[in-house]
Amino acid sequence: EVQLVESGGGLVQPGGSLRLSCAASGFSFSSYWMYWVRQVPGKGLVWVSRMNGDGSTTGYADSVKGRFTISRDNAKKTLYLQMNSLRAEDTAVYFCARGGLFFYMDVWGKGTTVTVSS
Amino acid sequence: QSALTQPASVSGSPGQSITISCTGTSSDVGSYNFVSWYQQVPGKAPKLLIYEVSKRPSGVSNRFSGSKSGNTASLTISGLQAEDEADYYCCSYALRITVVFGGGTKLTV
Repeated sequence: EVQLVESGGGLVQPGGSLRLSCAASGFSFSSYWMYWVRQVPGKGLVWVSRMNGDGSTTGYADSVKGRFTISRDNAKKTLYLQMNSLRAEDTAVYFCARGGLFFYMDVWGKGTTVTVSS
Repeated sequence: QSALTQPASVSGSPGQSITISCTGTSSDVGSYNFVSWYQQVPGKAPKLLIYEVSKRPSGVSNRFSGSKSGNTASLTISGLQAEDEADYYCCSYALRITVVFGGGTKLTV
């Protein structure tokens, strides 16, 4: 079964850091683009970042550029999102998703909640 | 970066058809056939319904169909069922942004 499981969310103070993980199973992880998408409760989906299969190409939304870093360990079949200089507006549920061939996401995890508050 | 424009809500009766629009610009929807649609039941993960404007992943009902005209993409749900009640999001490749979502549409059946 194809599955993505996020972890690492929690409560962090403004200015703090957090690293999210996304464990993949059931597919050839290194062959796929992977995405992070976030959602403030009650609001819409917002793309955060993406990375290609071998980790050589990344992209970031302007709102997180310079603060967040996406990475992956293909041997461990795990995607990461390192989040630094966190702000209250980063509070959201963060979803990990598998990328299809052309800018779509065909498998999603259940999400992990990040709360930035003092 | 601006989100794609969707109606906040649509409604329909069981058995009817509804269409949800997704309006972008010539920098995203209008220039690329990379529009996808997602269904999300509140509290759950999104589910891919349509990709590359009109393609349906295996396992998705043929009651869901997608199309595009100019800068506007559309999702049509035919034969509405109670289980279709959910939030629906469009998404597109966007020049200089990479990926942009619509604001979402709440479907009430």
